[in-house]
Amino acid sequence: TQLLEQSPQFLSIQEGENLTVYCNSSSVFSSLQWYRQEPGEGPVLLVTVVTGGEVKKLKRLTFQFGDARKDSSLHITAAQPGDTGLYLCAGVSDSWGKFQFGAGTQVVVTP
Amino acid sequence: DTGVSQDPRHKITKRGQNVTFRCDPISEHNRLYWYRQTLGQGPEFLTYFQNEAQLEKSRLLSDRFSAERPKGSFSTLEIQRTEQGDSAMYLCASSLAVRLAGGSYEQYFGPGTRLTVT
Repeated sequence: TQLLEQSPQFLSIQEGENLTVYCNSSSVFSSLQWYRQEPGEGPVLLVTVVTGGEVKKLKRLTFQFGDARKDSSLHITAAQPGDTGLYLCAGVSDSWGKFQFGAGTQVVVTP
Repeated sequence: DTGVSQDPRHKITKRGQNVTFRCDPISEHNRLYWYRQTLGQGPEFLTYFQNEAQLEKSRLLSDRFSAERPKGSFSTLEIQRTEQGDSAMYLCASSLAVRLAGGSYEQYFGPGTRLTVT
């Protein structure tokens, strides 16, 4: 059973378009992380969100943590081919002590 | 470079052979995690350590898999009698066991070891 559901599974867009990917769960997290992974490499940490309702921006990427700390979204403005990759969310709760991952959203941005 | 390192990056082995992978975490991190990832999927938790203690193993983890972290620093993951279904990327990550100043836990990944069982 996947504790974290990511949607969509795959997204193909043209350069310059905007996109949003979602990470949802029925569990409450103490913090949630977003990663981007390129083929043959390990995931690279993009951001960590902690507070319900928190919004963080990283250049053209905007991350939001749901008020109830059960869900999150990643919005990319004016996507570029360099944004191509597998976007993963991972949540952790104090009762687990470990990170739970979603299955990822594969994003392809074509020139 | 003070990031997480893994060795080897690639391993090709024949079915039935044993393989061992090494992970060196970020030096001040006392938690170390092993994951397995297949193509197009998210990392699947295998096991994790706090210092030298193995705190949890996935119920999905076969008895052919064993991990150690003898001195609370580097860790090894051994797979005995490999099967073709073991072919995957094996990822190591490390973190602190306590929240950071901002209230979060953060883990950082190594580049992974790609295992191919023929």
